[in-house]
Amino acid sequence: QKEVEQDPGPLSVPEGAIVSLNCTYSNSAFQYFMWYRQYSRKGPELLMYTYSSGNKEDGRFTAQVDKSSKYISLFIRDSQPSDSATYLCAMSAEGKSTFGDGTTLTVKP
Amino acid sequence: DGGITQSPKYLFRKEGQNVTLSCEQNLNHDAMYWYRQDPGQGLRLIYYSQIVNDFQKGDIAEGYSVSREKKESFPLTVTSAQKNPTAFYLCASSIGGGFLNPTDTQYFGPGTRLTVL
Repeated sequence: QKEVEQDPGPLSVPEGAIVSLNCTYSNSAFQYFMWYRQYSRKGPELLMYTYSSGNKEDGRFTAQVDKSSKYISLFIRDSQPSDSATYLCAMSAEGKSTFGDGTTLTVKP
Repeated sequence: DGGITQSPKYLFRKEGQNVTLSCEQNLNHDAMYWYRQDPGQGLRLIYYSQIVNDFQKGDIAEGYSVSREKKESFPLTVTSAQKNPTAFYLCASSIGGGFLNPTDTQYFGPGTRLTVL
């Protein structure tokens, strides 16, 4: 069993929809949680990070962490075609990061 | 501009050849990493280095080699022993610190797409 499981997708939504991207994990040592966005044929770019349970908001993006359930989510409000990309969750313990397999999102105009 | 550069962007290799992928960073980061990404799959760690002149194997190190002679540079050699080298290779760097820095965040380069002919 993988330490990090990410909803596989792909996900296709109309413009303006609310998107929920989710990961679960099994390692209780994970302390730091990140979301990366990767456009096709590009390197991943850090989107958001959080260190504790609860919500963290940045514009249209909200990262949610529930350590008791070992579950993290990324919500995208008012989704735009430019949000079409693969989203990778990542978690770290003792400085070593483990990545999910990614969810590919397509936002249709 | 601070960042991570990888070259070349596209690389073609004949079977039996070794090739070296370049990764350079000017972020003054101590730690550097190499990942492999296959279609529809996540990132798999090949090698990482927390400090100059030191590096460790990741999850899929067989058929690969690295060096870390300078803080800024972490080249990856894909040897002929790697049975299925066609993939997208990503280099990353972070401030480092291992367990002393649990919030260490990795920043990625643009990637090199390697194709074996």
